[in-house]
Amino acid sequence: DGGITQSPKYLFRKEGQNVTLSCEQNLNHDAMYWYRQDPGQGLRLIYYSQIVNDFQKGDIAEGYSVSREKKESFPLTVTSAQKNPTAFYLCASSIAHLETQYFGPGTRLLVL
Amino acid sequence: EDQVTQSPEALRLQEGESSSLNCSYTVSGLRGLFWYRQDPGKGPEFLFTLYSAGEEKEKERLKATLTKKESFLHITAPKPEDSATYLCAVRMYSGGGADGLTFGKGTHLIIQP
Repeated sequence: DGGITQSPKYLFRKEGQNVTLSCEQNLNHDAMYWYRQDPGQGLRLIYYSQIVNDFQKGDIAEGYSVSREKKESFPLTVTSAQKNPTAFYLCASSIAHLETQYFGPGTRLLVL
Repeated sequence: EDQVTQSPEALRLQEGESSSLNCSYTVSGLRGLFWYRQDPGKGPEFLFTLYSAGEEKEKERLKATLTKKESFLHITAPKPEDSATYLCAVRMYSGGGADGLTFGKGTHLIIQP
């Protein structure tokens, strides 16, 4: 079965801690994206990558970092600099940049 | 400022009662309008992509249409399993800027049996 997987489903962060959210796809898609979803707001773009070893900041990149060392993987690190990290994080991929995006199941991040 | 507005915010229908959801946009240089369905606690599920005014697409009880300023998602004879939040997103010509999708806040649809 081809698809996008995100792990963990729930993640708890302590003050001052960095945490990493996993996103893996076996769709052979070149482009991958990270969005954040907050109640009552639309999804907002954090980072995106059009190709391996390249990524671009989205609208709300401050406090986040990413890497794209493999085509299948696009992990997101929420750093201690992100002061309001509680949200639902969604990873997406598309066969190429500008094509239709398909989403993973999401990771809910909570702060202890 | 580019913007995507969905209305209504919430809609409650009886099973079989047809209706439409609206997505209006004020972006310049539209490069695609996308409809997604999202169930609680899950990722959005892709429904349709529309590229040009006058285009229509259908899937089961859903039909999406596009004009130069808005899109409609028509739901015909809905069933309780159609209950979900429906998201609209647009991609505009970015000219080299951040190039993801701009999402509306969604319409929360409830179909009562």
